[in-house]
Amino acid sequence: GEDVEQSLFLSVREGDSSVINCTYTDSSSTYLYWYKQEPGAGLQLLTYIFSNMDMKQDQRLTVLLNKKDKHLSLRIADTQTGDSAIYFCAVTGGGNKLTFGTGTQLKVEL
Amino acid sequence: DSGVTQTPKHLITATGQRVTLRCSPRSGDLSVYWYQQSLDQGLQFLIQYYNGEERAKGNILERFSAQQFPDLHSELNLSSLELGDSALYFCASRREGSYEQYFGPGTRLTVT
Repeated sequence: GEDVEQSLFLSVREGDSSVINCTYTDSSSTYLYWYKQEPGAGLQLLTYIFSNMDMKQDQRLTVLLNKKDKHLSLRIADTQTGDSAIYFCAVTGGGNKLTFGTGTQLKVEL
Repeated sequence: DSGVTQTPKHLITATGQRVTLRCSPRSGDLSVYWYQQSLDQGLQFLIQYYNGEERAKGNILERFSAQQFPDLHSELNLSSLELGDSALYFCASRREGSYEQYFGPGTRLTVT
C-alpha cells in the first residue's frame, strides 16, 4: 500500500522560512495535501496540489511537488510562533481516502 | 471552524464496553470519512460513506461499524473495547466534485 514519510521534528527561528518535507511511494497519487494540527485540536486543511502541478503558492505557503522523486514540500515564509504545530502530508490514490504521513512537529523559537 | 461537528469531545469507558461516536458533516456534504489517530499507528483511514452507503473500507476492525443516516450524519460504533482502542477519532466530510476533506475536532476515547 501507499507509504508516506516525513521527518519527525523541525525547529526554526521566528521570521525564518520553514521547509517541511514529505516523500510518498504511490506514483498514482493524484492529490497531495498539507494539514496542520495544533495541540488538542482537529486537522486544518492548509493547501493541496494536483499531481499535474509543480508548484502552488498561497500567501505565506508554497507547495513544491517533484513527481519524479515522489517528493512534496511545504515552505512557510516568515514563520511565526503561531505556526508551531504538527504538519501532516497526505495523499490520495483511488477513492479519495487520505493516507497520512507521520507528521512533522514544527517548533518556532523566538 | 470547519463546519464538521463531532460529539462527544471526550469519552472515558471501560474495557469490554460499547460506545457510539457521532459526526455531522458540513451542510451539503454527502461523503463522510472516519479516521483514527493513535500514538503507535498514526492517522489511519477507517471507513467512508457516501449518501448513506458504504464506499470504502480501510483498517477498520470487525468490532467497529459505522453508518450514515438519511440526514447525512454518521455514527461510528466501537464494541468490545480494548485498551488499544484508546485514540482520537476524527470524521471528515467532502463536497461532491471537491477534493477537500474538512475535519471535525475529534472525539478522544480513553478505554480504562
